[in-house]
Amino acid sequence: QKEVEQDPGPLSVPEGAIVSLNCTYSNSAFQYFMWYRQYSRKGPELLMYTYSSGNKEDGRFTAQVDKSSKYISLFIRDSQPSDSATYLCASNYGGSQGNLIFGKGTKLSVKP
Amino acid sequence: EPEVTQTPSHQVTQMGQEVILRCVPISNHLYFYWYRQILGQKVEFLVSFYNNEISEKSEIFDDQFSVERPDGSNFTLKIRSTKLEDSAMYFCASSLSISYEQYFGPGTRLTVT
Repeated sequence: QKEVEQDPGPLSVPEGAIVSLNCTYSNSAFQYFMWYRQYSRKGPELLMYTYSSGNKEDGRFTAQVDKSSKYISLFIRDSQPSDSATYLCASNYGGSQGNLIFGKGTKLSVKP
Repeated sequence: EPEVTQTPSHQVTQMGQEVILRCVPISNHLYFYWYRQILGQKVEFLVSFYNNEISEKSEIFDDQFSVERPDGSNFTLKIRSTKLEDSAMYFCASSLSISYEQYFGPGTRLTVT
């Protein structure tokens, strides 16, 4: 089965909080993982791309992959009101030709 | 910074009409994709395209859909006879290679009446 599951939220946090967003995927054939940010009625904007288990950091964002648990996370430090958006995780199933399978997205609201 | 562009931003059409959605991928990218997102639902893969051929297509991408790269810069999605259920946001994406990051355009909102 080729599924990426994501809690849709909504998630509301105060400005400055650390945000944790999570996804699980259905089997070990998923190879690499992306996090996208999507503002209302806009295209997904790529935030992070990871391939191996472990952490990858970019500014205030850290992506974490645990392949043994089939669990991926995105952490946002010092969250800002401008981070308010829907966050999508996506993964490529091994052997596919770029077919990204998306989670449903978690809607995040950062309150000033 | 290079980006994927799409036109039009919004297309309204009547059921049964043909529509063509246009995309200009990032210039040095070789792989091109179409996805759609029905309001409130997941982003869904439609088709991937490489070297002027379809690489993979989903069950959604039936005979009503076709893709084309008519020149060196444009990538199009044609829906031959639109249905009400085709109403969605359609996103074009491109990547340098099959396992590299995919960059998405801003989308075309298709409304079928």
